[in-house]
Order: sequence, then C-alpha cells, then structure tokens
Amino acid sequence: EAGVTQFPSHSVIEKGQTVTLRCDPISGHDNLYWYRRVMGKEIKFLLHFVKESKQDESGMPNNRFLAERTGGTYSTLKVQPAELEDSGVYFCASSLLGTGQFGYTFGSGTRLTVV
Amino acid sequence: KQEVTQIPAALSVPEGENLVLNCSFTDSAIYNLQWFRQDPGKGLTSLLLIQSSQREQTSGRLNASLDKSSGRSTLYIAASQPGDSATYLCAVSSGGSNYKLTFGKGTLLTVNP
Repeated sequence: EAGVTQFPSHSVIEKGQTVTLRCDPISGHDNLYWYRRVMGKEIKFLLHFVKESKQDESGMPNNRFLAERTGGTYSTLKVQPAELEDSGVYFCASSLLGTGQFGYTFGSGTRLTVV
Repeated sequence: KQEVTQIPAALSVPEGENLVLNCSFTDSAIYNLQWFRQDPGKGLTSLLLIQSSQREQTSGRLNASLDKSSGRSTLYIAASQPGDSATYLCAVSSGGSNYKLTFGKGTLLTVNP
C-alpha cells in the first residue's frame, strides 16, 4: 500500500509569492489532515477534510491559506501571498474511518522557506 | 485546551542503555495516544498507538504505557542502539468530531556508539 505522498519536498520562495503544496492520501482514506511545524514550536493542526468537505479549519492561521480537496482525493494547500512567518514544515496525514482507531499515517512533509 | 508536554527535551545516552521518555497531557478526555519518530528532514513514523481503554502497547524493543487518569504516558526503549537516534513525538487525539492530534514538542534522542 502506498503511503501518504507530499510534494514538493522542499520549496524556497520569496515573500509575496504564491506556493501550492500537494498531498495524496492513502487510497480509501476519507479523512485528510494538514499540520504545520514552525521553528521551535510543536506540530499544530491546520484543518481536516472528510472526503471533499472541510470539517474543521480552526487551525488555519489566516485567509492567506486556502486548502482544497477536489473530488475527495488529493488535497492542495495554497499560501498567497507568502510571508516570512509561514516558513516551516507542512505535514499531511490521512486516516481510515475518521475514528482514529487505526491512528494516522503522515507524509514526509514539505519544508517551506520564505525569504 | 489540550496541552502536551514532553520531558526531557533532549537526551543523550550510550549504546545499550534502557531509557524512558515522558509525555504528559492536561485533559484526560483523550481518545488515543500515539508515539511517533521523526528522523532529520523526514516525516513522522508511527511507532505505537494506545487507545484510551488500553494500558500499554509493545512493539519490539519499544513499550508505551498510558495512565489516562493522571495524564501521563511513557515510552520505554530497551537496549538502545545508535539507529534509535531521532526525535520522538507524543500526540493525543481528543476525539470529538475530527480526532485531531495535539503534539508535544518532542524529545531529541541521541544514542552514542
């Protein structure tokens, strides 16, 4: 079974530019999550999709962040315009059933550097 | 608001030593607790998942315990090896509608040959 795939693995952009991160969950996992770790802080929840619907986006920092999950398959997270404080590692995770019974499978993350 | 604390922040031990990593959480109403490992520049690898009704889980040289009432979990690593060097993260799922995870900052473990 393929794991959770994220790309790009690294992205360096200038302040004010736009970046789009992509996550492909494990096939059949309806639940998809985005998390972020900024330097020196713990990993924090951004949002949760069930299929194509946003269930909880309480962790999204501001309206410069837009997440989509077209057709309930892969998801994208767009940052526009990027700011210096957006630098960090963005993780995607998926889970089966949404009960958490089987835990979560995380991708390798996208390291975003805004300069 | 759930908060997760991991102690120590960093730990350096000689190869072969048994060690314990600690995790505490403020709200005992959790659904499950998961221990992850993160290697430098890599993603998170799930090590052990303990449901709230369970007391411990074991996998190879790893044993994780959970005391939900006191808000504590420990990860025990037996006979440590240099390959165990990584950051170990504890995360709790508080259930509810989305079972989102709350993470600690992690413990950076270095096992010296």
